[in-house]
Amino acid sequence: EPEVTQTPSHQVTQMGQEVILRCVPISNHLYFYWYRQILGQKVEFLVSFYNNEISEKSEIFDDQFSVERPDGSNFTLKIRSTKLEDSAMYFCASRTGVMNTEAFFGQGTRLTVV
Amino acid sequence: AQSVTQLGSHVSVSEGALVLLRCNYSSSVPPYLFWYVQYPNQGLQLLLKYTSAATLVKGINGFEAEFKKSETSFHLTKPSAHMSDAAEYFCAVSDQLSFGNEKLTFGTGTRLTIIP
Repeated sequence: EPEVTQTPSHQVTQMGQEVILRCVPISNHLYFYWYRQILGQKVEFLVSFYNNEISEKSEIFDDQFSVERPDGSNFTLKIRSTKLEDSAMYFCASRTGVMNTEAFFGQGTRLTVV
Repeated sequence: AQSVTQLGSHVSVSEGALVLLRCNYSSSVPPYLFWYVQYPNQGLQLLLKYTSAATLVKGINGFEAEFKKSETSFHLTKPSAHMSDAAEYFCAVSDQLSFGNEKLTFGTGTRLTIIP
């Protein structure tokens, strides 16, 4: 069964450093997403990506964040200069684009900023 | 904006007992609702979804949920809990961003513990 894969599963980084979280969405899906879950809080939408550009972003997704699909299979989330409050579980998801169908999620990357 | 509220951040039931996890939604348009489950150290897995067809929706692992418009609820149930059901459960509502593009708005989650 096709699945969304994320690497690494856990990343520890120092405050101020850049991190790149990687995702391989399901191959025939058209819409890609990043969500995050700060410990003890709800899962929050960060950004959606379609046709090689951002289609929607939340207010959380400020200039420190960027996404790209560099090679047609990987989908990455970059945090330019990490802050302590960026510590969270980051989930990648993809959808086919058919209305009202589910998103398929990866296993998540736990980012710890120290 | 659409939202969901999950009552009870922690629920404990005995093995074999009924599982009831509560979710209420707020939406100005007919909602599309989902339940996702997160097992320890795993990602979010779809349990079931409501997309305006049948109001009683059956999902995987014996779970089902009933959409009740009059109560704005979409509670998740399972007649008989199993140890393997221990996990975190998230209710979510779909927000249409543009044609074909939707985002999920999640509830705060309910951690289900099964007592042997």
